[in-house]
Amino acid sequence: ELKVEQNPLFLSMQEGKNYTIYCNYSTTSDRLYWYRQDPGKSLESLFVLLSNGAVKQEGRLMASLDTKARLSTLHITAAVHDLSATYFCAVDRRRDDKIIFGKGTRLHILP
Amino acid sequence: EAQVTQNPRYLITVTGKKLTVTCSQNMNHEYMSWYRQDPGLGLRQIYYSMNVEVTDKGDVPEGYKVSRKEKRNFPLILESPSPNQTSLYFCASSLSSGRAYNEQFFGPGTRLTVL
Repeated sequence: ELKVEQNPLFLSMQEGKNYTIYCNYSTTSDRLYWYRQDPGKSLESLFVLLSNGAVKQEGRLMASLDTKARLSTLHITAAVHDLSATYFCAVDRRRDDKIIFGKGTRLHILP
Repeated sequence: EAQVTQNPRYLITVTGKKLTVTCSQNMNHEYMSWYRQDPGLGLRQIYYSMNVEVTDKGDVPEGYKVSRKEKRNFPLILESPSPNQTSLYFCASSLSSGRAYNEQFFGPGTRLTVL
């Protein structure tokens, strides 16, 4: 059974601090996705990571993928209030194209 | 504008009254999927479709049906809704499952309450 675990599930942090959200998954996969969801809104795609060692950066967010460790990280640098949202990772199981989401990390950045 | 649309956006119904939530995309995407989002559980895939007339069960298919007669539409059918199907539902689509990646575009969501 494919499981995707995110931690922490809730994170409250001060502006200007750095932090990392972790996403572990239990099956072989080389396609991992990060999404953002603002309160009361839909999900929007942030990053697509397609291979071992992949690193993508957009502004203060950087995502990486280690397929051997079955781990992806989403690093936040010098957090700002606008980054407050819930972040989901998702894994794409190639053999049947099923997609499994983590439970999400609710990030609250205090001004 | 490229988008995924869902209707209705909000629905309150009673147990046992059949309902359909429509989903349509205008991006010529092959892959479409339905999710439900519940507090503390994240998103769980209900059904997905890799192309016309091809559908598969996700993790929580019980109590739901889908069909994919046209590429752009992927309706979600609840034949006999029950209160445990009260949830926020999202439809999503992506270019193709067979390509290198499957980044999904999400609809605005449908908030369903079953009394």
